[in-house]
Formats: sequence, structure tokens, C-alpha cells
Amino acid sequence: GAGVSQSPSNKVTEKGKDVELRCDPISGHTALYWYRQSLGQGLEFLIYFQGNSAPDKSGLPSDRFSAERTGGSVSTLTIQRTQQEDSAVYLCASSLFGDQPQHFGDGTRLSIL
Amino acid sequence: EDKVVQSPLSLVVHEGDTVTLNCSYEVTNFRSLLWYKQEKKAPTFLFMLTSSGIEKKSGRLSSILDKKELFSILNITATQTGDSAIYLCAGGTSYGKLTFGQGTILTVHP
Repeated sequence: GAGVSQSPSNKVTEKGKDVELRCDPISGHTALYWYRQSLGQGLEFLIYFQGNSAPDKSGLPSDRFSAERTGGSVSTLTIQRTQQEDSAVYLCASSLFGDQPQHFGDGTRLSIL
Repeated sequence: EDKVVQSPLSLVVHEGDTVTLNCSYEVTNFRSLLWYKQEKKAPTFLFMLTSSGIEKKSGRLSSILDKKELFSILNITATQTGDSAIYLCAGGTSYGKLTFGQGTILTVHP
């Protein structure tokens, strides 16, 4: 597709389980970002990948959160031992280069029971 | 810590009104100010501003940046019900990291 693709669109899981969220960026975009949006809040930066450079993980809220980007394309955000406060919409964005406008996917709505 | 503050947090107007949304920022290594519109799901890109005093325009929407006062505004003229959305402002660094404000919820009544 032409846009950023995220899956699943919705995920409901029990507290304590691990979850994996996937992001397929726009083809050719070198930069990829993950954000979290809680109810009524703005977007909170989580992690940023630029080409082959080491990712900027400064926004990850705890060591239960990790992300990887394979082959410079698809990215997976993993949350281990989920907690109820992890419930949010997780948005992925990509840009051609780091200083260009970011284009967002529709997000994954994560609900922790 | 980088910070972006938007005002007002919510705004209710009638079709045809003009609205001004405000955004102030404190971002280390600031390079750009971006505006996004968020309806149901993905935020959609509106404007990216890097130079002070130069207005960007797209149809009924326009935006300007003041790098001295660390401030940007988004204007929407002749509002329509389809303009109802959350408008997000973000400050961007030279390497692309964005810090978002909390958003302005705009509701346009017929």
C-alpha cells in the first residue's frame, strides 16, 4: 500500500501477557518512529530508527518495552508483562529522512484487561 | 525537557467562523514546527514550518511561525463541519524527533 500500515488494528490481552505490534513504513522511508497516545492526551514519543544508526530509545517508558527494525523496513514494538497503564493507541510514523514530515499509520488500539 | 503547549484545549464554533489555534514550544535543537489534523485515527500532515514570518497556506488553512517568540498559529477561515477534528502541533529537532502538544479539539456546528 501507499501509506504506513500497522497491525493488528485492535488488540485485547490480559495483564501480564506479552504483545507484539507491527509497523510497515512507506517504501523508501529511512526514518521510523513509534508514539503512544493515551485517552485525551497528545502523542508521546517512544523510539526512533534512522537508517542503520543506533535507535533513539529515550522515550521508552520502562525496560518492558523494546523495538526492532529488520532490514531497514518493518518494525516490531514488543511490550512484555503488560500492565493496565499500557492501554493506549500505539502509532507508527515514517519519513523520507529524519528532518522531513512524518506520515502516520492508523495505529493499534491496545487494551489490557 | 522539551515542551509544547497548545491553546485553547477545545473550541466550539459555527460554520463560517474563523478560528485561530495557538502553539508555543520549548524544544532543544529546534528545527521545525509541524501541524497535524487528527480525525478518527491517523494524524494527517498539514504544515511544516522552518522559517520565521513566512506564512504557509493551503486552501482555507494557513500557518505562521515566530522563532523569536517560540510560537505558531494555525488559522482556519470559513470553517466547515468537516474541519471538526483534533489539531496537533509538534516541535521537531534537527534529527526528526517530535514533541507533541496535547491538541486542540475543534467542533464546528452547522
